Amino acid sequence: DQQVKQNSPSLSVQEGRISILNCDYTNSMFDYFLWYKKYPAEGPTFLISISSIKDKNEDGRFTVFLNKSAKHLSLHIVPSQPGDSAVYFCAASAGGAGSYQLTFGKGTKLSVIP
Amino acid sequence: NAGVTQTPKFQVLKTGQSMTLQCAQDMNHEYMSWYRQDPGMGLRLIHYSVGAGITDQGEVPNGYNVSRSTTEDFPLRLLSAAPSQTSVYFCASSYDRISYEQYFGPGTRLTVT
Repeated sequence: DQQVKQNSPSLSVQEGRISILNCDYTNSMFDYFLWYKKYPAEGPTFLISISSIKDKNEDGRFTVFLNKSAKHLSLHIVPSQPGDSAVYFCAASAGGAGSYQLTFGKGTKLSVIP
Repeated sequence: NAGVTQTPKFQVLKTGQSMTLQCAQDMNHEYMSWYRQDPGMGLRLIHYSVGAGITDQGEVPNGYNVSRSTTEDFPLRLLSAAPSQTSVYFCASSYDRISYEQYFGPGTRLTVT
């Protein structure tokens, strides 16, 4: 039973446009969420996080939105660049930012077309 | 800083063999963890450690052992390899808990035949 779901295995976007990656979760105990980016043959790298006490967090071109009532979060990348082409994983924890365990989604492969 | 290093990069084992995947970090991070990633799946936590001498189980610990004798090293042992353990293994570390950025190693691709 997948507690963190990324229902789109892949997404293609033109360079300069907005990329929106979606993530749904089922465990109402989750209260801290993270996005990781992964290039082939490399380990994941941390991108951005959000606590359940917020509904938005921005870092440069990356913004994460959290809708707790819908148990949904999304990652917006504006503007998208070819270097953003990677697999993006959504992850969640229960126990807040002090937790030690993360539950990951299956990932969405983003392709940014020049 | 080398960050998080993992050895070997690739390994092929026969069913029943044992081996140790090595992980080291030079950032003086207290928290270290091991994940496995299977095709079409997210990362799943195998074991983690919150400091030297302290380890705990994650989501999928069966068939794996860990120890943490130093802050720097966190080896993962496969006691008797099975084909179901064919996967890519990632080691990660962070200063403290997950609220701090986790740094991942490049991974070890393991095939068990």
